Amino acid sequence: DGGITQSPKYLFRKEGQNVTLSCEQNLNHDAMYWYRQDPGQGLRLIYYSQIVNDFQKGDIAEGYSVSREKKESFPLTVTSAQKNPTAFYLCASTLAGDQETQYFGPGTRLLVL
Amino acid sequence: GQQLNQSPQSMFIQEGEDVSMNCTSSSIFNTWLWYKQDPGEGPVLLIALYKAGELTSNGRLTAQFGITRKDSFLNISASIPSDVGIYFCAGAYNTDKLIFGTGTRLQVFP
Repeated sequence: DGGITQSPKYLFRKEGQNVTLSCEQNLNHDAMYWYRQDPGQGLRLIYYSQIVNDFQKGDIAEGYSVSREKKESFPLTVTSAQKNPTAFYLCASTLAGDQETQYFGPGTRLLVL
Repeated sequence: GQQLNQSPQSMFIQEGEDVSMNCTSSSIFNTWLWYKQDPGEGPVLLIALYKAGELTSNGRLTAQFGITRKDSFLNISASIPSDVGIYFCAGAYNTDKLIFGTGTRLQVFP
């Protein structure tokens, strides 16, 4: 089945450690996005990528890094520089020519201990 | 970053009632999207609107793209328990970035 997968569903991290969240899609979508969601809040854009080997910062990129080495993969690293990393992280993707209609993965909940 | 004003913040209704929620922006959009999010899951696209004045239905859901291009509305008719969740609006204008609303939390009681 085609879709967007995120792993793991839940992730625990010790303070001061880097952690990488996975996002894979087999929809042949060109653009991919990472959002952060905090309780009772909307979605805030962290990073996005329109093509392989290129990505742009979103509204809250500080403390995060990404790579886009393959069209189907867009991993997000939460670094130790992110002061408040506990949140629900959502990955999304879109087709070229329909960039505004985003489809989301199931999310990864990150908890910093 | 900018977020859209979405209201109401939460709704508690009885099964069978109709629901209305809306989203407003200080700037114009040329796309409005409505998503539903279940607890612990990613948002699922419900309806996409691409033209001012457009009225689109998806089963018991109906959404409208406001004439001013600064607002959008979502109605749910004859609510059922599985309608429970958080509903988000999102807008875009000639960009690949979406601006999201703060969400409307819907509770349906039998």
